[in-house]
Amino acid sequence: NAGVTQTPKFQVLKTGQSMTLQCAQDMNHNSMYWYRQDPGMGLRLIYYSASEGTTDKGEVPNGYNVSRLNKREFSLRLESAAPSQTSVYFCASRGQDRGQETQYFGPGTRLLVL
Amino acid sequence: AQSVTQLDSQVPVFEEAPVELRCNYSSSVSVYLFWYVQYPNQGLQLLLKYLSGSTLVKGINGFEAEFNKSQTSFHLRKPSVHISDTAEYFCAVKGAGSYQLTFGKGTKLSVIP
Repeated sequence: NAGVTQTPKFQVLKTGQSMTLQCAQDMNHNSMYWYRQDPGMGLRLIYYSASEGTTDKGEVPNGYNVSRLNKREFSLRLESAAPSQTSVYFCASRGQDRGQETQYFGPGTRLLVL
Repeated sequence: AQSVTQLDSQVPVFEEAPVELRCNYSSSVSVYLFWYVQYPNQGLQLLLKYLSGSTLVKGINGFEAEFNKSQTSFHLRKPSVHISDTAEYFCAVKGAGSYQLTFGKGTKLSVIP
């Protein structure tokens, strides 16, 4: 049981390049999330998917798109990267832990946009 | 909508001393409350959560938190910290019926030997 996995761990992009961050969970959770973490800002929700086939905007969706490929996978795409998107990106899934609702996080992807 | 305020951005404390990390929230609906810990260059790990029931919640690594509805607070405490507790701590709130967690900006705990 790997939990939530993210690839890649690190990435350097030039302004205007595109890339997709991958996330997968093996806990059979319905809900999945993408956050970005910036110094002094905490975690801010970019997009979430309440269930397979649905996606919704979070607090900071501009410049991003998402795809809920299936129940396991939820990808985040930057179509034209900007330096303001330099951040650490975390994927999470939400499910039941011994009957109680819990959100589980992946290890993060560190992205630098030059 | 919900919001979370972590009152201290940095908290230095000597090893074996007690510590309290403060968290206040606002919400128009009933809430679920969480504390997460992030060690350097790692993801977030759940420390403890309040969903219902007893207002004193015990978590991993000797941490506990108390939900105070009248003061809209959920402060995190540990009676004696270790060097290994050096990390950033995040308070988070979820409104009943919502899919979203709202995080505070984090408190960096530095334990001084």
